[in-house]
Amino acid sequence: IVLTQSPGTLSLSPGERATLSCRASQSVSNNYLGWYQLKPGQAPRLLIYGASTRATGIPDRFSGSGSGTDFTLTISRLEPEDFAVYYCQQFATSPRGYTFGQGTKLEIK
Amino acid sequence: EEQLLESGGGLVQPGGSLRLSCAASGFSFSTNGLSWVRQAPGRGLEWVSGITGSGSSPYYPDSVKGRFTISRDNSKNTLYLQMTSLSAEDTAVYYCAIGRMGSLDVWGQGTMVTVSS
Repeated sequence: IVLTQSPGTLSLSPGERATLSCRASQSVSNNYLGWYQLKPGQAPRLLIYGASTRATGIPDRFSGSGSGTDFTLTISRLEPEDFAVYYCQQFATSPRGYTFGQGTKLEIK
Repeated sequence: EEQLLESGGGLVQPGGSLRLSCAASGFSFSTNGLSWVRQAPGRGLEWVSGITGSGSSPYYPDSVKGRFTISRDNSKNTLYLQMTSLSAEDTAVYYCAIGRMGSLDVWGQGTMVTVSS
């Protein structure tokens, strides 16, 4: 399964709403779709799993939605620390394995 | 607290081999699947291997199949990645991560592998 994220770069200001898209080439089984935040020099941080469940400790301004082949990560009101690169990821059970999208860079406008 | 700590990275010549380790603590090691994920300089995340909790079922993407071998020692709470026939394209930060509910929810800080002559 190929994951395609859009846009490649998103330029927004703090306080604005961010909408990031992830489209799969085939239906994602069991809604095994995750979203990660990656900052330079840091390990990836899981934000959302199962397409819509926030991981432990993730602020409620982050939300995930979607099913099948179309998924969205929404950040309701951007905080300065939210500017980073975001990746979606899917897990397939047959054949077993993970795939990541190419990433969306969220930058300060 | 669930923690993963990678080690074993470094400089290796093209065609060489390297074994990475990932020491785990703070969770039930033998009941969790684990994976290795890498990020090459200026590139995105790439999953490179996974293994079930028992260790009986490793799995790989085609890009590394036959060159990388994932294994685990549940008595030592340690995950391994044996890499062979390395090339410059394998230069990356390598992370280990716990796989749960179809996602990778705990990550180590990574270890850098540089393939260069």
